Amino acid sequence: GAVVSQHPSWVICKSGTSVKIECRSLDFQATTMFWYRQFPKQSLMLMATSNEGSKATYEQGVEKDKFLINHASLTLSTLTVTSAHPEDSSFYICSASGPLAGELFFGEGSRLTVL
Amino acid sequence: QKEVEQNSGPLSVPEGAIASLNCTYSDRGSQSFFWYRQYSGKSPELIMSIYSNGDKEDGRFTAQLNKASQYVSLLIRDSQPSDSATYLCAVIHGGSNYKLTFGKGTLLTVNP
Repeated sequence: GAVVSQHPSWVICKSGTSVKIECRSLDFQATTMFWYRQFPKQSLMLMATSNEGSKATYEQGVEKDKFLINHASLTLSTLTVTSAHPEDSSFYICSASGPLAGELFFGEGSRLTVL
Repeated sequence: QKEVEQNSGPLSVPEGAIASLNCTYSDRGSQSFFWYRQYSGKSPELIMSIYSNGDKEDGRFTAQLNKASQYVSLLIRDSQPSDSATYLCAVIHGGSNYKLTFGKGTLLTVNP
């Protein structure tokens, strides 16, 4: 299957700082990528849909000024958590669409801990 | 609110048994259904997709879909300890294009 690489796999930061997470499709071009957040023992919650060359579409309740998404190329999308707070600590996972609708290839995930 | 419901488990089966995982969804217009496996601390990986009523088999896995009952299931035959993971049911709701809605997942434990 297709490979999606996510970096960093884990990060610890101080409250108030910003953290950038990268998501790359390694062997295919992804016009659409998705960013999810997963709290312990909870399901994946879609945060936003990232479209190459255009603004991201955010889900209801997700602050677009806090979670900045940039999809500048067909192989790279980034999520920046700005002014992070302890409640932002979570597992952030990106995914890219395969050729079939709903066929998602997930990155390895990034575990963020905000102190 | 379009929902996908799963029994959180844990579901415990002995090695070699059949594990049965169930999922219901609220949107009758849903057309595409998926099962993902997620090991602890890892991201999900796609196991099966199913789009039409009936059964779809792939190796030890069988997905079953009943749109009239709004029900989709996953059977794992000859369960192995390596199958121990959380299994996520995911649905593309009618009109939502590529957006998946995930259930909370069922934790499966296969005992040696």
